[in-house]
Amino acid sequence: RKEVEQDPGPFNVPEGATVAFNCTYSNSASQSFFWYRQDCRKEPKLLMSVYSSGNEDGRFTAQLNRASQYISLLIRDSKLSDSATYLCVVNTGNNDMRFGAGTRLTVKP
Amino acid sequence: NAGVTQTPKFQVLKTGQSMTLQCAQDMNHNSMYWYRQDPGMGLRLIYYSASEGTTDKGEVPNGYNVSRLNKREFSLRLESAAPSQTSVYFCASSEALAGGADTQYFGPGTRLTVL
Repeated sequence: RKEVEQDPGPFNVPEGATVAFNCTYSNSASQSFFWYRQDCRKEPKLLMSVYSSGNEDGRFTAQLNRASQYISLLIRDSKLSDSATYLCVVNTGNNDMRFGAGTRLTVKP
Repeated sequence: NAGVTQTPKFQVLKTGQSMTLQCAQDMNHNSMYWYRQDPGMGLRLIYYSASEGTTDKGEVPNGYNVSRLNKREFSLRLESAAPSQTSVYFCASSEALAGGADTQYFGPGTRLTVL
């Protein structure tokens, strides 16, 4: 079983839609959690960290459920520019970051 | 401020050849990392360095060596390239010290093909 699992998609949604991605992790001792965004043939870039209390950044909301060992990302009012692959990242300790394979999102006009 | 730079951007090797991938960061970060990214696999950590002079194995270190030359530079060496090492290689850096976790900043990647 992979340490971090994501639905690969693709998710194809119209502009303005709300879309949610989930990610599960296997190591219950994992300490910190992140969502990164990766555009085609580019490097990953941090989208947001994920806190136990949940956090919001504009149209993006991240949630962490430690009991069930999953992380979610909600995107409201999708824009064309949101089209990308979203990577779930889990720090299992000592800077050992484990990446999910990513969920691909395409937002269509 | 260039951030994280990597050279070369593209490379084609024959099986058995050696090469070194270079990475440098100008953000005065403590930690540096090497990852490989393969289709359907996500990024996998090869080696990391929590501070100058220290290196540690990640998830997939076999076939690679690294050198933390100074605080700025972290190189990855393939001594005898194999087709299984065909991948996109990303270098990253973060402020985090050993045991910490922090935002990682990635370089643009090196696309390596081994024939």
